[in-house]
Amino acid sequence: EIVLTQSPGTLSLSPGERATLSCRASQSVSSSYLAWYQQKPGQAPRLLIYGASSRATGIPDRFSGSGSGTDFTLTISRLEPEDFAVYYCQQGHTFGQGTKLEIK
Amino acid sequence: QVQLVESGGGLVKPGGSLRLSCAASGFTFSDYYMSWIRQAPGKGLEWVSYISSSGSTIYYADSVKGRFTISRDNAKNSLYLQMNSLRAEDTAVYYCARTFPIGYSHDYWGQGTLVTVSS
Repeated sequence: EIVLTQSPGTLSLSPGERATLSCRASQSVSSSYLAWYQQKPGQAPRLLIYGASSRATGIPDRFSGSGSGTDFTLTISRLEPEDFAVYYCQQGHTFGQGTKLEIK
Repeated sequence: QVQLVESGGGLVKPGGSLRLSCAASGFTFSDYYMSWIRQAPGKGLEWVSYISSSGSTIYYADSVKGRFTISRDNAKNSLYLQMNSLRAEDTAVYYCARTFPIGYSHDYWGQGTLVTVSS
């Protein structure tokens, strides 16, 4: 069973800064199977990235995904106030434990 | 627009049963795979089950195998989750989600329905 480890657990940044979130798999995975979600309190998750680097419908281009093998990254180029949330990576039926992006 | 609306959650005693429903609209339901994903209070996401567009392929997480049954009625644009032998650790918000068959990412989610298992 694949384990996804996200880091850091919490990331404190200011609006306008660049955010880099990591997702590491316990074994090599297909990039086609790597997705990223954003979840705000009291809301359902929202798909941001699928296939490791493809943006979902309606997702701003400040969100980008990259990586292959065991190491994947979600980058938010310039943080907007609405970007502060919890982010999850997913591979197949496995989710990472999440990274909380909070305002510094 | 795509809408997924869950219902059927509530308070149930350990060992009890509950049936969740998910009403889909805004897309051709019979063309899509669907999943149930849950989130315990204050915790992360846990995939529960998924069903192919025709219902011929079904998978379950080990934690629910033998206790939960996923099904769908394409004529009614509805997804279901029959939950039996419920345990305290099944307490969670249950989301239904539309699922890509390649990669299993979930592009649309319902608002969730809370299931609480407690005596």
